[in-house]
Formats: sequence, structure tokens, C-alpha cells
Amino acid sequence: DQQVKQNSPSLSVQEGRISILNCDYTNSMFDYFLWYKKYPAEGPTFLISISSIKDKNEDGRFTVFLNKSAKHLSLHIVPSQPGDSAVYFCAASVPTNDYKLSFGAGTTVTVRA
Amino acid sequence: DAGVTQSPTHLIKTRGQQVTLRCSPISGHKSVSWYQQVLGQGPQFIFQYYEKEERGRGNFPDRFSARQFPNYSSELNVNALLLGDSALYLCASSLGRVGYEQYFGPGTRLTVT
Repeated sequence: DQQVKQNSPSLSVQEGRISILNCDYTNSMFDYFLWYKKYPAEGPTFLISISSIKDKNEDGRFTVFLNKSAKHLSLHIVPSQPGDSAVYFCAASVPTNDYKLSFGAGTTVTVRA
Repeated sequence: DAGVTQSPTHLIKTRGQQVTLRCSPISGHKSVSWYQQVLGQGPQFIFQYYEKEERGRGNFPDRFSARQFPNYSSELNVNALLLGDSALYLCASSLGRVGYEQYFGPGTRLTVT
């Protein structure tokens, strides 16, 4: 069962503009959320995370927003750069199974020059 | 410092055969997790091992097994291969028991013909 959903398989954005990636989840027990970035032929790399006690977390050009009532989170990348072109995965975990990450299907971001 | 390493990089097997995939975690990391990523989907959790003991198992058949060695490296074994086992197999390591901020290797691409 897909408890984490990324409904946009792809996103194209112009360099310098904002990229907004969305993620929805169905399991209300999720308490920690992460975004991973993946280049071809490489494993996913951790980007940014947020705990359910927060609604926003910022790290440089990356900001993650969490709306618990809507079971929705988003990743904002400002400004977008060509090196941001990659597949982005949303992931989540529950406290009782904190060893396990549940991933969405990913969104492929293409930053156009 | 070396990241998570996996071997082999690519592998082609025939239905019914058995395969062993190997993973070396980041130095000092005691936890190793295995994920399966089928084309077009996000990684799916298979196993986590911490301090050489299985801590969690995902929804995979008994054909899948794993173990962790005293040096914290790990092997994933898959018996009686099916065409549907064709996927990228990712290994991730983390410092402690918790699955947050796992560091992924580049993966092993398994093709079953």
C-alpha cells in the first residue's frame, strides 16, 4: 500500500525560479518526514527533514513545509539551479517502526537554463 | 571517508537462480538497511539490521534473506529469482538504530531474465 504519494511524476522549471514539490501521506502515525535527492547511477542522498512538531524547516535554498491536518508536505527550492535536476523522493517514518522509511514514487525535476 | 559501497554494480541472472548482494556501511555505522527500487517507484523497505540482529522486515517473501557480519557489512540473498525481482537494490547505513537520515549506496542493478 502506498502510504506516501507524490502525484507529480515530473516538474520543469526555469533556472532562478522556484521549484515546488508536493507530497501527500495517508498514515497519521507518521512523525518524521524527509526529502531525498537522487542522481542517475547514484543512491539517494539526504536533503532535508522535518519533525511533526514543526511546520517549517529551512536549510539554505531548501525549505520544507508540513501541513499535518491536510497530511501534506512540500519542498521549495529557491532559486532553482541546473544542478538541482534530479529525482526527489519524499519519505516518512512512524515512531514504532523508526527503522523503516516509506518512500513516495519520486518527482523528476528538470531545471532549464 | 568512503561512503556506503555495494557490489556488484550490475548483475544478470536467470529465473530460478539465487543471488547474493553485498554492502559495506560507512565506517562506524552499525545499522544497515536494504531497499528494493522497481523502475518508476520509490524504494521499498526490505530489512534492517542493527548490531548483527534483524530489527525489521518489510513485506517481502521468505525468498529474501539477509545477514550482518561482525564488521557490520551485510549480504542480501534472494532465492528462486522471479522476473519481478528485477530492480535496483539499495543498501543504506546509519549510525544508530533509528532510520532517520540514512546514507545510501549507489545500488546493485539486478536483471532477471
